[in-house]
Amino acid sequence: EAGVAQSPRYKIIEKRQSVAFWCNPISGHATLYWYQQILGQGPKLLIQFQNNGVVDDSQLPKDRFSAERLKGVDSTLKIQPAKLEDSAVYLCASSATGNFYGYTFGSGTRLTVV
Amino acid sequence: ILNVEQSPQSLHVQEGDSTNFTCSFPSSNFYALHWYRWETAKSPEALFVMTLNGDEKKKGRISATLNTKEGYSYLYIKGSQPEDSATYLCAFITQAGTALIFGKGTTLSVSS
Repeated sequence: EAGVAQSPRYKIIEKRQSVAFWCNPISGHATLYWYQQILGQGPKLLIQFQNNGVVDDSQLPKDRFSAERLKGVDSTLKIQPAKLEDSAVYLCASSATGNFYGYTFGSGTRLTVV
Repeated sequence: ILNVEQSPQSLHVQEGDSTNFTCSFPSSNFYALHWYRWETAKSPEALFVMTLNGDEKKKGRISATLNTKEGYSYLYIKGSQPEDSATYLCAFITQAGTALIFGKGTTLSVSS
């Protein structure tokens, strides 16, 4: 089966610019997660979708971050405007509904804000 | 705030050495513990999912144990090889949780 696809792989932007990341989960996986991994820290959940509804976005900085999952398939994560501290790897993962045993991750997008 | 602690933060061993890492997590309301291996520029790869106290799992030269009563898991690598170089992430989820909570990881470097 195809894995979780993410793009772009790398992105360098200046602070105050905008950026968007895209994720295509495994076909049939209802649950989609966006994690942020800052260098030296563990991945932190930003937002969790089940189908196209939000399950948890308590750690998403909503003043600058937004995410959507149209039609319960692909998802985009946007940052506007970016800050230096947003430099991180943004990981997308998916799992079948209620399946806490099988997370599949994409290879991530490495964002550098200068 | 639920917290996962991993130690050591980084480790450098010689080829052929055996090594182990520790993951500590809150023992109350435990549901499942995951171990992932994450190589640079690749996707985190699932190694083990453990749910029962006393669980022991093995995959080739890598094995893991779980103690849910005291809140820790060990990951062992026997006869380390350069291709084992990666960051090893531990993550857990509670019975009331909806998503994995990750530790900071242990970065292993194996020299030939």
